Amino acid sequence: AQSVTQPDIHITVSEGASLELRCNYSYGATPYLFWYVQSPGQGLQLLLKYFSGDTLVQGIKGFEAEFKRSQSSFNLRKPSVHWSDAAEYFCAVAPMDSNYQLIWGAGTKLIIKP
Amino acid sequence: DSGVTQTPKHLITATGQRVTLRCSPRSGDLSVYWYQQSLDQGLQFLIQYYNGEERAKGNILERFSAQQFPDLHSELNLSSLELGDSALYFCASSHSGALDTQYFGPGTRLTVL
Repeated sequence: AQSVTQPDIHITVSEGASLELRCNYSYGATPYLFWYVQSPGQGLQLLLKYFSGDTLVQGIKGFEAEFKRSQSSFNLRKPSVHWSDAAEYFCAVAPMDSNYQLIWGAGTKLIIKP
Repeated sequence: DSGVTQTPKHLITATGQRVTLRCSPRSGDLSVYWYQQSLDQGLQFLIQYYNGEERAKGNILERFSAQQFPDLHSELNLSSLELGDSALYFCASSHSGALDTQYFGPGTRLTVL
């Protein structure tokens, strides 16, 4: 069965430091991949998505993600985090054989140290 | 503000009861999606409607049902509520299909006592 794994439940980084959030998926074909962010008390917002083409995808708020087929990964990165980036981040995959409905990872909560 | 509205924001009810959650999509969006977010199950897709018709079904219990009306707003009906149904229920909308950017509402927090 398709699955999405976000191995880190929490990550703490200092403000200004770089960030990498990990996401691995289990799926036979190359899926459609997404990263969403959920700020406290709010709904989810799309950061970026990968469908095909360039494996380095740029998103909003200075985020980028790299698709690595050989590692079945789609890790999210940001070169320098800001306190406002504190939130929960969700990786999701849209497999063709589930009519492209999103299958979600468990989320990674990002904590920013001042 | 995503443009998706959900009412009510909070709902507290008792086991065995029935509730209705309401969602208004962004202007121009034809698809509405319902998701459940709970501590033990995480985020799960429940159901999608497109222009009034059911398009896809996920892990939606038989006690739950949804519909999308001609004005494109949607309602999620939860009946015979159990303690385990306590969760945050999100509605999202997109212009057409599931691969379009989905815009999420702020959610309805349901507490079943």
